[in-house]
Amino acid sequence: GAGVSQTPSNKVTEKGKYVELRCDPISGHTALYWYRQSLGQGPEFLIYFQGTGAADDSGLPNDRFFAVRPEGSVSTLKIQRTERGDSAVYLCASSGGQAGGTQYFGPGTRLLVL
Amino acid sequence: AQSVAQPEDQVNVAEGNPLTVKCTYSVSGNPYLFWYVQYPNRGLQFLLKYITGDNLVKGSYGFEAEFNKSQTSFHLKKPSALVSDSALYFCAVRDGGGATNKLIFGTGTLLAVQP
Repeated sequence: GAGVSQTPSNKVTEKGKYVELRCDPISGHTALYWYRQSLGQGPEFLIYFQGTGAADDSGLPNDRFFAVRPEGSVSTLKIQRTERGDSAVYLCASSGGQAGGTQYFGPGTRLLVL
Repeated sequence: AQSVAQPEDQVNVAEGNPLTVKCTYSVSGNPYLFWYVQYPNRGLQFLLKYITGDNLVKGSYGFEAEFNKSQTSFHLKKPSALVSDSALYFCAVRDGGGATNKLIFGTGTLLAVQP
């Protein structure tokens, strides 16, 4: 079956612009996660959804970052007033939602803020 | 607070030799432990996990890992390395007693297998 997909694969924007990153989880997965990976670092947790609601958004760095999952499937990560420090690979993962469930990752969106 | 340490930035091993990639963790409850592999310009691929039960966990591509509670470690091993195993490996932990499913990742270990 299809894995997690993310679009776009690459995004170049200018400082101060608004961007949206999309994630399509594995069909039937109730949990969806966003992580950010900076160069030379491990993935860093941002937010996760159980169904439509954000179960844990403790990793969002500030109020410029926001994510939605209105129908419990596709999710969009939104970044307002982008800064050069936002440049990173944004990874999405999904799982069956049970504790300890394996998270399966998409290929990521590489965001570059000029 | 949860944390994961991968003490080696890079591990070099000759093809055919056994390999070990080290990981130690810290959680307040029982740990759920994971290993992922990342190839260049690719996402993370799941290798194996420990939730409960047998301390020796077997995973994809011949990899295995041993959970050691007293040493708070979860080292990744393979009896015979292949050149194609060369990649970046990440250990991750979830606090089994916590309410969130978020994973905390280590900084990664680059495995280089020489022919």
